[in-house]
Amino acid sequence: SQQGEEDPQALSIQEGENATMNCSYKTSINNLQWYRQNSGRGLVHLILIRSNEREKHSGRLRVTLDTSKKSSSLLITASRAADTASYFCATGNTGNQFYFGTGTSLTVIP
Amino acid sequence: EPEVTQTPSHQVTQMGQEVILRCVPISNHLYFYWYRQILGQKVEFLVSFYNNEISEKSEIFDDQFSVERPDGSNFTLKIRSTKLEDSAMYFCASSEVVSGEQFFGPGTRLTVL
Repeated sequence: SQQGEEDPQALSIQEGENATMNCSYKTSINNLQWYRQNSGRGLVHLILIRSNEREKHSGRLRVTLDTSKKSSSLLITASRAADTASYFCATGNTGNQFYFGTGTSLTVIP
Repeated sequence: EPEVTQTPSHQVTQMGQEVILRCVPISNHLYFYWYRQILGQKVEFLVSFYNNEISEKSEIFDDQFSVERPDGSNFTLKIRSTKLEDSAMYFCASSEVVSGEQFFGPGTRLTVL
């Protein structure tokens, strides 16, 4: 299976702290995407990183990709209570299928 | 900002009935997808669609399911003879290019009684 697996499953931090979530996968990928999902809501696209990229930034988000270790990390800096959500990585091959992991549930305490 | 829309937001049906879930992808996107998320579980890929035909499908997407783009804007998922285990959140997504960023709709919660 190519599915990404996030780690940790749950993370609780104080507002203002940084949050780091990791994703590991098993097979070669073309790209990897991170999504956020608030409880009972849809998926919000955060960042796409391609297999030939090592790092991408978007606002307070920083994503790294290490294809040799088949892993990616999502860093949220200066977290806010509104960042409380589940975060998923989704790995894509050369086709159109994306495989989602089980997610990291992030709680940011005000 | 353009977004993917889905209707209805919640669909309740009796076991054995047919349901059609509707999606309007982002207008300049060419690739369309359906995903399913059973409560408490991971998001699962069902099918991708391009140029009026299925490009990829998962093992979940069996003969019970079908997709269609009946006109220039809608993209539908039909589930025939629904089962209790079909109860889930169904997400539609679209992307501009293959393997590109996929933008998801808010989902349709399907409850099969």
